[in-house]
Amino acid sequence: GAVVSQHPSRVICKSGTSVKIECRSLDFQATTMFWYRQFPKQSLMLMATSNEGSKATYEQGVEKDKFLINHASLTLSTLTVTSAHPEDSSFYICSALVGASGGGELFFGEGSRLTVL
Amino acid sequence: GENVEQHPSTLSVQEGDSAVIKCTYSDSASNYFPWYKQELGKRPQLIIDIRSNVGEKKDQRIAVTLNKTAKHFSLHITETQPEDSAVYFCAAHTNKLVFGAGTILRVKS
Repeated sequence: GAVVSQHPSRVICKSGTSVKIECRSLDFQATTMFWYRQFPKQSLMLMATSNEGSKATYEQGVEKDKFLINHASLTLSTLTVTSAHPEDSSFYICSALVGASGGGELFFGEGSRLTVL
Repeated sequence: GENVEQHPSTLSVQEGDSAVIKCTYSDSASNYFPWYKQELGKRPQLIIDIRSNVGEKKDQRIAVTLNKTAKHFSLHITETQPEDSAVYFCAAHTNKLVFGAGTILRVKS
């Protein structure tokens, strides 16, 4: 299957700083990537849909100015958590769509565990 | 938007028994229904999926059924083994993938 790589796998930062998480499709081009957040013992909640060359589409309740998404190339999408606070501590997972929407398959990155002190 | 409900939230079975997890969805336009297994701290792993033009799909000990009329789909695991213990998520997809709340499956040996 397709490979999606996410980096870093773990990051600890101080409150008020910004953290960037990268999601790369290693062996295919991904025009669409999705960013999820997962709190402990909870499900994956979609944060935003990242489209190459255009603005991301954010889910209701997700602050676009706090969670900056950039999808500048067909193999890389980045999520920047700006001015991070302890409540932003979570497991962030990206996924990339292989094939057309509705007919394709999603492949997930390894996830990034963010801890804000 | 799409809403996916999953039951039960926890499920304990004896090794060798079958396990069934059920999901319902709200958006009749959803056309792809994957099931994922997630171990603690790791990414979800696709274990089986079904598309809207199929009613049932089987892969060894795992099977999924889909009832489009009723908008529900189910995961069936037969001959469960301790290594099947994990969190299982159903999902429904139109232009984005929406997950159910998850089921913690414990297989007791």
